[in-house]
Amino acid sequence: EPEVTQTPSHQVTQMGQEVILRCVPISNHLYFYWYRQILGQKVEFLVSFYNNEISEKSEIFDDQFSVERPDGSNFTLKIRSTKLEDSAMYFCASSASALGTDTQYFGPGTRLTVL
Amino acid sequence: AQSVTQPDIHITVSEGASLELRCNYSYGATPYLFWYVQSPGQGLQLLLKYFSGDTLVQGIKGFEAEFKRSQSSFNLRKPSVHWSDAAEYFCAVVSSGGSYIPTFGRGTSLIVHP
Repeated sequence: EPEVTQTPSHQVTQMGQEVILRCVPISNHLYFYWYRQILGQKVEFLVSFYNNEISEKSEIFDDQFSVERPDGSNFTLKIRSTKLEDSAMYFCASSASALGTDTQYFGPGTRLTVL
Repeated sequence: AQSVTQPDIHITVSEGASLELRCNYSYGATPYLFWYVQSPGQGLQLLLKYFSGDTLVQGIKGFEAEFKRSQSSFNLRKPSVHWSDAAEYFCAVVSSGGSYIPTFGRGTSLIVHP
């Protein structure tokens, strides 16, 4: 069964550094998402992406965050200057359509630790 | 705005016992409801979903869930738990009109004793 993959599985960085989290969505999917989960808290939506544009973003997704689909397979989340509070598990997801009934398939996550 | 509450942070059951994980939602209309499971080191995997029709839905791995509009609940059940069911379980709601972005609960951690 096709799956979403994410690299790295764990990233440790110093506060103020830039990080790029990578995701490879399912190949025929058109909609891509990033979520995060701070330890002990809810999974929170960050951003959705379709047709090389952000289609929706939450208030968490401020100017420090950006997303990109640099080629036909990768989907990246960049945090320009990390803060301690960015420490979280970051999940990538993809879906074939944007229908609320369509399933989003999630990757295993990248655990980001900001020191 | 929609919200999801999973009142139990941890649930401990013995292998072979029955299981019920609670989920309550807040949303004005009929929502789309989902249960996901996350095993250690894995991504969120969809167990089942409800959109309309029969309020009792069957999912993978022997799980089922029942939508009760009067109680705003979508509880997940399994008649006999296996040790491999130990994982984190997330309930999520999507509005039936408007944004397709799911709102997740905090998750319930299931511990299975042999």
